[in-house]
Amino acid sequence: QKEVEQNSGPLSVPEGAIASLNCTYSDRGSQSFFWYRQYSGKSPELIMFIYSNGDKEDGRFTAQLNKASQYVSLLIRDSQPSDSATYLCAVNGRDSSYKLIFGSGTRLLVRP
Amino acid sequence: GAVVSQHPSRVICKSGTSVKIECRSLDFQATTMFWYRQFPKKSLMLMATSNEGSKATYEQGVEKDKFLINHASLTLSTLTVTSAHPEDSSFYICSAANPGGLYEQYFGPGTRLTVT
Repeated sequence: QKEVEQNSGPLSVPEGAIASLNCTYSDRGSQSFFWYRQYSGKSPELIMFIYSNGDKEDGRFTAQLNKASQYVSLLIRDSQPSDSATYLCAVNGRDSSYKLIFGSGTRLLVRP
Repeated sequence: GAVVSQHPSRVICKSGTSVKIECRSLDFQATTMFWYRQFPKKSLMLMATSNEGSKATYEQGVEKDKFLINHASLTLSTLTVTSAHPEDSSFYICSAANPGGLYEQYFGPGTRLTVT
């Protein structure tokens, strides 16, 4: 089992819809969770991070964390074609090295 | 978000030469920085953790003598690809961990290395 799992997609949604991206992780000791967006040919960009159970909202983005079920999700409201990218879920490692364990990413396509 | 710069953005070199890539944290002092490589349409692969003032910690399978990392200051880490070969051609990306937050990582824009 991979430490951080994401569906590779592509997830295709129409413009204006809600895109829901999911991620599961295996280490119950993980404490911090991150979502990055990566456009093709570019480096990852941090969108949100969350460490408490529940929802965290920032503009059109909402991160949801459920530690009991070991999943974290990212909702994108009013999806725009410019949101089309690969979204990477990352979880902090159990040790003190500050390493992040990345999922392989979900490709999102927002259709105009 | 915080700004991390990386230089050069693109480099082409001949086989056998060495290439140095610089990574600078502009908004905060980063005691810990990371180096990744990414092949087209593939996942990020962590190469090493760069610790200010101490030796880098390399991931399994990464040759420390080939990929030299130096983290001489709190804002600068360098990666030198020594005796580069065509199979070293890749997208190299650094990141800096923010000690003032959750140690979230901010990525540099990446360096595309092509070895001919």
